[in-house]
Amino acid sequence: QVQLVQSGSELKKPGASVKVSCKASGYTFTRFSINWVRQVPGQGLEWMGWINTNTGNPTFAPGFTGRFVFSLDTSVNTAYLQINSLKAEDTANYYCAKGGVRGVMGYWGQGTLVTVSS
Amino acid sequence: EVVLTQSPGTLSLSPGERATLSCRASQSVDSDYFAWYQQKPGQAPRLLIYGTSSRATGVPDRFSGSGSGTDFTLTISRLEAEDFAVYYCQQYGSSPETFGQGTKLEIK
Repeated sequence: QVQLVQSGSELKKPGASVKVSCKASGYTFTRFSINWVRQVPGQGLEWMGWINTNTGNPTFAPGFTGRFVFSLDTSVNTAYLQINSLKAEDTANYYCAKGGVRGVMGYWGQGTLVTVSS
Repeated sequence: EVVLTQSPGTLSLSPGERATLSCRASQSVDSDYFAWYQQKPGQAPRLLIYGTSSRATGVPDRFSGSGSGTDFTLTISRLEAEDFAVYYCQQYGSSPETFGQGTKLEIK
């Protein structure tokens, strides 16, 4: 069965970097995109962008350019989200989600809480 | 960017009642690229409906989606206790993909 398992919660100081992993199983990793979605606690869902797992080409939503990096390690079926120069407002749950029929997000990771605090 | 506005913000109903959730887009959305998600506290979102009206695997048939253009609806025919959650609409036909702000379905 399809599963996306994300890395655990992180506590970081402002200015630091964090790298969240999303390990996929149960399907051919390079056939389907991986999306990233942010959810600030108590708020709604924001689509951050997606990465083409075949080419490695990332696409970022407005507001998620510059400090955000999507990457892959196809040898271990894992996608990564790196956020540089962390700010307090980056505190959120970050979800990875597998693209499916016409790109809909059919399967989601359990989420990774990133807390940025001095 | 397509802005999605959901209404109502909160819907208070009793088990067994019918729920109708609305989502209005700021511009026309291709109905092949419209979805609904359910999210319960402490959990990741779960895909319910894609392509406006197709139920995802394992979704009970009391959930149905409809609509076209700028107006879309999620209907839950007879509410069960497990259905009380937050629901989000989403369009994934144009970049950036966007979500509505959510409708909280609570027990009356």
